[in-house]
Amino acid sequence: GAGVSQTPSNKVTEKGKYVELRCDPISGHTALYWYRQSLGQGPEFLIYFQGTGAADDSGLPNDRFFAVRPEGSVSTLKIQRTERGDSAVYLCASSLEGGPNTEAFFGQGTRLTVV
Amino acid sequence: GDSVTQMEGPVTLSEEAFLTINCTYTATGYPSLFWYVQYPGEGLQLLLKATKADDKGSNKGFEATYRKETTSFHLEKGSVQVSDSAVYFCAPAAGGTSYGKLTFGQGTILTVHP
Repeated sequence: GAGVSQTPSNKVTEKGKYVELRCDPISGHTALYWYRQSLGQGPEFLIYFQGTGAADDSGLPNDRFFAVRPEGSVSTLKIQRTERGDSAVYLCASSLEGGPNTEAFFGQGTRLTVV
Repeated sequence: GDSVTQMEGPVTLSEEAFLTINCTYTATGYPSLFWYVQYPGEGLQLLLKATKADDKGSNKGFEATYRKETTSFHLEKGSVQVSDSAVYFCAPAAGGTSYGKLTFGQGTILTVHP
């Protein structure tokens, strides 16, 4: 596709359930980032992939959060035992090579609501 | 870690007014600096960037200059339009192992009235 695609666009889940959020980056982009945006706040970094490997996962809040990118393209963010505090918009971004000078292209996000 | 302080909003202006949104940051080294914009119902998109000290980024009539001495990257536009109504985010980008990681400010909501 032309841009970064995230699915689903909305997800409502019950507290304690497991969820998976998917990101399809722009074709050929080796760098992929996940961010989380709470209401009224700026996005907060979660994890950065360069190819298949997680180069920086320092933003993952705890061990309930995990992300994979097995073939260096599509990425999945996985949240176990969801809590109401996990409710937020989860954003995915990709860039051609990563790096501080490269534009990151963002998807529309997945709005996660934990009830 | 890196941090960003943005001018608090919301900011409400009349069309053709002058806009300034202040942004200061703390970061290790000399990061690249970005302004991202989020229009209603749309995803975040790059507005402009500057990659080294004294660089001026510009796009769609918006400008921002990388000021190393004051660690600032204030956004300006001489004459705003109703279509500029959006949320604006200032963000330095890290180097090193956090390659390209963006640290966002809290965002400034801009509303422009006709």
